[in-house]
Amino acid sequence: DAGVTQSPTHLIKTRGQQVTLRCSPKSGHDTVSWYQQALGQGPQFIFQYYEEEERQRGNFPDRFSGHQFPNYSSELNVNALLLGDSALYLCASSRTGTGGELFFGSGTQLSVL
Amino acid sequence: QKEVEQNSGPLSVPEGAIASLNCTYSDRGSQSFFWYRQYSGKSPELIMFIYSNGDKEDGRFTAQLNKASQYVSLLIRDSQPSDSATYLCAVLLSGAGSYQLTFGKGTKLSVIP
Repeated sequence: DAGVTQSPTHLIKTRGQQVTLRCSPKSGHDTVSWYQQALGQGPQFIFQYYEEEERQRGNFPDRFSGHQFPNYSSELNVNALLLGDSALYLCASSRTGTGGELFFGSGTQLSVL
Repeated sequence: QKEVEQNSGPLSVPEGAIASLNCTYSDRGSQSFFWYRQYSGKSPELIMFIYSNGDKEDGRFTAQLNKASQYVSLLIRDSQPSDSATYLCAVLLSGAGSYQLTFGKGTKLSVIP
């Protein structure tokens, strides 16, 4: 079992650029959630995807968007990058109905210069 | 704003002692509570969850929940240096169709050999 895989592991962008992060969920999982974790903080919920639809969204601007594919994998897109978007982006998968029992990927460290 | 509060620490305990980690939450209707462990430079991993008032034990770990006081705790018995990590308390918010897991900032635990 490969677990949750994310790519890339590190990314450096400049302000105003756009970025796409990718996630493959753990085998048997159908739900993908994305979190942003700043240094020294807990993960902040961005949104959750289930059945290819955004099921719930946290307090993040529309610059953050996502997609889920029929194979349950997911993408997180961030447009018009700001310096404050620099953080660790975590993908977590779960089986629907298991609530907060999340399996996290190793994350993508995004640096915006 | 529905919040989860934790003492950021660091909490230092000697090897073999009991480590006590505490968490309070503001959403009185919350039903599900989770403890995640995050080693430095790694992603969070689920170690315990609790849904009902009282204690839940799993090996050296005990989760305690008091909904009336809106308080969750994690006890680690016979603490080991390998338990040194940041412990994140997380709460699944209440309400129909709520899938947002809200994390505290985490408590950094250091077990001294």
